[in-house]
Amino acid sequence: EVQLVESGGGLVQPGGSLRLSCAASGFTFSSYWMHWVRQAPGKGLVWVSRINSDGSSTSYADSVKGRFTISRDNAKNTLYLQMNSLRAEDTAVYYCASGGHYSLDYWGQGTLVTVSS
Amino acid sequence: EIVLTQSPGTLSLSPGERATLSCRASQSVSSSYLAWYQQKPGQAPRLLIYGASSRATGIPDRFSGSGSGTDFTLTISRLEPEDFAVYYCQQRLTFGGGTKVEIK
Repeated sequence: EVQLVESGGGLVQPGGSLRLSCAASGFTFSSYWMHWVRQAPGKGLVWVSRINSDGSSTSYADSVKGRFTISRDNAKNTLYLQMNSLRAEDTAVYYCASGGHYSLDYWGQGTLVTVSS
Repeated sequence: EIVLTQSPGTLSLSPGERATLSCRASQSVSSSYLAWYQQKPGQAPRLLIYGASSRATGIPDRFSGSGSGTDFTLTISRLEPEDFAVYYCQQRLTFGGGTKVEIK
């Protein structure tokens, strides 16, 4: 059974940093693209970032480019999202998802990030 | 930048009825990258349909997808109580705003 478990969310002040993790199990993690998608409270889904299977290619939404960094450790079956210079508008539930270039086949349960003073 | 517009915003139906959800793209898109997701309150989204018309693993056959170009449709043939949720379409890395299917 595919499992994706996010962690690392919490309350952070504007301008602060946070690192999210996503622990994967039940599939060959190193063979799949991984994505981060976020959802502000009461709002829709917004794609944030993706990384290819070996970590050599990454993409970001314009809204987070230069502030967020996606990475992965295939030996640990773990995906990361380093978030710097956080803003109030980054407040959301952050989901990791596995799949292909564009497909989001399996999702984690999400971790809440709140940016507030 | 492609914009996906989902309609209606809310669909009020009774169990057993047919649901037809629309996703319209601002320009012609590839069917290969059109997907539909279901999200229930407090839960993560779940992939229903990929490639515009292929059901994901474990998805009941009452869910079907169709369309091409700029117009795509998700149809739920007979609504079950567990189908009341929000549905999102996705094209490449862009999501639509969602359609809420609620109990009438």
